[in-house]
Amino acid sequence: ELKVEQNPLFLSMQEGKNYTIYCNYSTTSDRLYWYRQDPGKSLESLFVLLSNGAVKQEGRLMASLDTKARLSTLHITAAVHDLSATYFCAVGVLTGTASKLTFGTGTRLQVTL
Amino acid sequence: DVKVTQSSRYLVKRTGEKVFLECVQDMDHENMFWYRQDPGLGLRLIYFSYDVKMKEKGDIPEGYSVSREKKERFSLILESASTNQTSMYLCASRAGGPLHFGNGTRLTVT
Repeated sequence: ELKVEQNPLFLSMQEGKNYTIYCNYSTTSDRLYWYRQDPGKSLESLFVLLSNGAVKQEGRLMASLDTKARLSTLHITAAVHDLSATYFCAVGVLTGTASKLTFGTGTRLQVTL
Repeated sequence: DVKVTQSSRYLVKRTGEKVFLECVQDMDHENMFWYRQDPGLGLRLIYFSYDVKMKEKGDIPEGYSVSREKKERFSLILESASTNQTSMYLCASRAGGPLHFGNGTRLTVT
């Protein structure tokens, strides 16, 4: 059974600081996704990482994938309050005729002024 | 933009009732999914469907069933609702890339 672990589960950081969220998974996968969820809202896709060494960046967020280590990171640079949200990683695994996504437990990020 | 619409934002049902959660997508996606989201547990996959009338169990299918009679519509059925099924239910669809989620249905079973 695929396990996806995120840490930390909760992160409180000051504006302007840098930090990294980690996502470890237990089985081979060829794609990894990062999502953002604002309170009371649904999930919004941030990044899709498709191969070993893939790196994607959008604004202050940068995601990377190491398939050999089964690890993805989401790095936050110079955090701002607007980045406060819950971030999920999800790992895609082909089962039969479809690919299903298994999610981590999420990291709740709180950026304080 | 992909639109995934869940028919109810909030539902309150009694223990033992049969509950239908409806989801419609407008992008002709082959794959549709039902997740439930609980604090500290993240999203857990209940069922998914890769084609009309085709379905597969996810990680927590007990107590649930699904129906996909048309490509755009995927229904989640709680045959006899129980209090431990109180949760946020999220429907999603995809064509092969990321999942596109609906706004969720918060179900309370009393």
